[in-house]
Amino acid sequence: AQTVTQSQPEMSVQEAETVTLSCTYDTSESDYYLFWYKQPPSRQMILVIRQEAYKQQNATENRFSVNFQKAAKSFSLKISDSQLGDAAMYFCAYKRTSGTYKYIFGTGTRLKVLA
Amino acid sequence: GAVVSQHPSRVICKSGTSVKIECRSLDFQATTMFWYRQFPKKSLMLMATSNEGSKATYEQGVEKDKFLINHASLTLSTLTVTSAHPEDSSFYICSARDRQGGGLNQPQHFGDGTRLSIL
Repeated sequence: AQTVTQSQPEMSVQEAETVTLSCTYDTSESDYYLFWYKQPPSRQMILVIRQEAYKQQNATENRFSVNFQKAAKSFSLKISDSQLGDAAMYFCAYKRTSGTYKYIFGTGTRLKVLA
Repeated sequence: GAVVSQHPSRVICKSGTSVKIECRSLDFQATTMFWYRQFPKKSLMLMATSNEGSKATYEQGVEKDKFLINHASLTLSTLTVTSAHPEDSSFYICSARDRQGGGLNQPQHFGDGTRLSIL
């Protein structure tokens, strides 16, 4: 069975600084998708970034980028130039590419942004 | 962007009450919706997959008679917690997949969640 682990329950970053959130996963599949979702205090989960396992190039979305290490089964999220609005819970999620819509989520990392 | 509305946002009720939570896709059609349960400082746990016009698929360990799911239209799924007890208190989140989203690998769109508190 696939599992997703986020070992950092909470992280803090100074405004305008860079922070990296860790995520590791376990799977026997060779092709899959990985996601980072953001859950602000308002609670609606928002997709931050997505990585397809067959792509070697790391995904980037503006200030958000990932470091995808397939062999190590690692998928970290880097937030550059952190802003107060980045404060939220961040969830790493895994999904197989075929046969299911089911997501497997990590336990989340709460990010605090300090002014 | 795609919007999923969940209602109510918060419910407080007595033990033994049945509670219905609605999940609506506002600007897209969703053949598939998902119901998650989130415990404090815990991950989202998928409870069931709701399919329009057919029976929901429940995850192992989830009581289907306890958590009734109805997906009556392409824009609405409901979760009814029957005869709720304090241990059912939790944060329930729905998500929906756009039927025109291009296949299995499109991201899901999440609702705001419902905080259920059973006294």
